[in-house]
Amino acid sequence: DGGITQSPKYLFRKEGQNVTLSCEQNLNHDAMYWYRQDPGQGLRLIYYSQIVNDFQKGDIAEGYSVSREKKESFPLTVTSAQKNPTAFYLCASSKASRAFFGQGTRLTVV
Amino acid sequence: QQQVKQSPQSLIVQKGGISIINCAYENTAFDYFPWYQQFPGKGPALLIAIRPDVSEKKEGRFTISFNKSAKQFSLHIMDSQPGDSATYFCAACTSGTYKYIFGTGTRLKVLA
Repeated sequence: DGGITQSPKYLFRKEGQNVTLSCEQNLNHDAMYWYRQDPGQGLRLIYYSQIVNDFQKGDIAEGYSVSREKKESFPLTVTSAQKNPTAFYLCASSKASRAFFGQGTRLTVV
Repeated sequence: QQQVKQSPQSLIVQKGGISIINCAYENTAFDYFPWYQQFPGKGPALLIAIRPDVSEKKEGRFTISFNKSAKQFSLHIMDSQPGDSATYFCAACTSGTYKYIFGTGTRLKVLA
C-alpha cells in the first residue's frame, strides 16, 4: 500500500527534551517536507528536502533539525530550543508538483 | 509577494447548496494551484488542482475556476453534503521550486 507514514500519531514531550518524529514514504518521491499546523491556522513550512543528503530551511526552522540519509525517510527532531512545540506536525512528499501528506503527529509538551 | 490570501475563514452552507472558497496570489511565477481537504486530526488530502493554461477544471462536484489576469482562483463545491464539512486549503507552487505556499484555510460546515 503506497503512501506516507508518520509515527507516532501522538507524542508527549517533557520540557527540555528533544523528540524525533518519523516520516517514511514509499512513493519514490524526490522531495519531502515538514509542516507545522497550529489550531485554526494554515500550514507553515519547517524544512524541505529535494534530494538525499540535502535540505533547506523553511519559514520556521528555528528549534528544529532534519536529516535525509535515505530517499524514503525524512525524520524531524524537535529540540529543546523550540519554545512552543505543541502543534500538529505534517510530513509530505511530492513529485511533479503533486504533494501528498501523511496523517500527522500531534506533539504535546507536558 | 509569496502570500496566498484565502477567504472566507469559515463558511456555513445548507445541504444541496453551493460552497465557494476564494484565493488570491501575487507571484506570477506560480504555475500550479491545488486544493486540499482536511478532516479533524487527519492530514490534508489533495482534492483537485489546476494549471494556468486552463480557466476551469471539474472533477465530480468540485470545480476550480481560474482567473489569470485577476490572479485569483476559487473552489466551487456543488450540491454540498454534510460529509464535505472539513477545512479546505488552497495552495500555489512554482514548478521546480518544490515550495508550496498555503492559504490560511476555510472551515466549511454543511448543515443537514
